[in-house]
Amino acid sequence: GAVVSQHPSWVICKSGTSVKIECRSLDFQATTMFWYRQFPKQSLMLMATSNEGSKATYEQGVEKDKFLINHASLTLSTLTVTSAHPEDSSFYICSVGGKGGNTIYFGEGSWLTVV
Amino acid sequence: QKEVEQNSGPLSVPEGAIASLNCTYSDRGSQSFFWYRQYSGKSPELIMSIYSNGDKEDGRFTAQLNKASQYVSLLIRDSQPSDSATYLCAVNRGGGADGLTFGKGTHLIIQP
Repeated sequence: GAVVSQHPSWVICKSGTSVKIECRSLDFQATTMFWYRQFPKQSLMLMATSNEGSKATYEQGVEKDKFLINHASLTLSTLTVTSAHPEDSSFYICSVGGKGGNTIYFGEGSWLTVV
Repeated sequence: QKEVEQNSGPLSVPEGAIASLNCTYSDRGSQSFFWYRQYSGKSPELIMSIYSNGDKEDGRFTAQLNKASQYVSLLIRDSQPSDSATYLCAVNRGGGADGLTFGKGTHLIIQP
């Protein structure tokens, strides 16, 4: 069964609005969660690392004020795309890393289309 | 700058043959290596992970790692049409607290 659940699977929003994507760890408590973005025909690019109880760490070039990450609990991380624009349209995928282990599970992904 | 390089393909292989996928990485501190399969429009799914030099076999899949050459490969034996997908190579420095650096992927086509 699924280890990581993302919601919504797809979303269409108007330019200038904000969209929230949820990532839930179903089978274990995740101290670390990761958010990736994948544009068509491109590879996954790590956006940020979310750590429970502390601020997220953003990769170079990713605007932390635009992509708000909240690791609310050991089973939930949220990514909010604020003031979305068409260039933010992409496939957003979260993954979960278990504490002390090297296992990395991916969620089903969320398609965002900004019109 | 961490980089993972893969031939984008497409790589076309007849059904039943061996498909060979290659990947090189630039970060010598990398300790964990992964192969993911991604179907169009879907999230990646883990095929193999390898951490030590040498070969690791799991069913029809064999991962090979050579840290000295900074090279990792994936062999798929008895290729099936359902193996047609994009295969992503990913590395990290180890541990569940480190994000992955992905290659751009190799598009594999298995010809019936």
